[in-house]
Amino acid sequence: NAGVMQNPRHLVRRRGQEARLRCSPMKGHSHVYWYRQLPEEGLKFMVYLQKENIIDESGMPKERFSAEFPKEGPSILRIQQVVRGDSAAYFCASSPQVDHTDTQYFGPGTRLTVL
Amino acid sequence: EDQVTQSPEALRLQEGESSSLNCSYTVSGLRGLFWYRQDPGKGPEFLFTLYSAGEEKEKERLKATLTKKESFLHITAPKPEDSATYLCAVQARRGNNRLAFGKGNQVVVIP
Repeated sequence: NAGVMQNPRHLVRRRGQEARLRCSPMKGHSHVYWYRQLPEEGLKFMVYLQKENIIDESGMPKERFSAEFPKEGPSILRIQQVVRGDSAAYFCASSPQVDHTDTQYFGPGTRLTVL
Repeated sequence: EDQVTQSPEALRLQEGESSSLNCSYTVSGLRGLFWYRQDPGKGPEFLFTLYSAGEEKEKERLKATLTKKESFLHITAPKPEDSATYLCAVQARRGNNRLAFGKGNQVVVIP
């Protein structure tokens, strides 16, 4: 049973370009979460999605960032017009359902470097 | 706002030297407290979930405990392969499942 998959693992962009990060949840999981880890900082929640729905985007910057989880295909975190401060590791997690056992399992992350 | 503070930030242990990591938390109605292990360049790996004060869970050389204000991760007779950053996170009952993480305890076990 494959775990959470993320690609690319490493992404380099120049300032002003767009970054697209992909996440495929574990088989049978319908809940996806995105977190960001800045150097020397803890993991910070960004957004929580179910299929075709954004449930909670309270941790997402208001501008340039968007996320989706379509009916078919992976979840996408999109960052438009990247700036140096966007350089970080972005982790996706998935869980099977919302109940008291909904452990979130993390992927290996995408390390974004903005030049 | 949910807050998690982990101490010590960094810890060096001799192989076999047992120790404990602390996770202090403030949350409006705890749904669960989670411990993860993170190796350099990798994603967090799930270790334990604790739901109520007094609960304890064990896995090999690790044991996690929970009170109303803090959690401890006890490492008994650690080995070099236990070297990692240990992350603590809380989930509130009214928080749409999001996890609030501490900055982690970086543990190095010296052979």
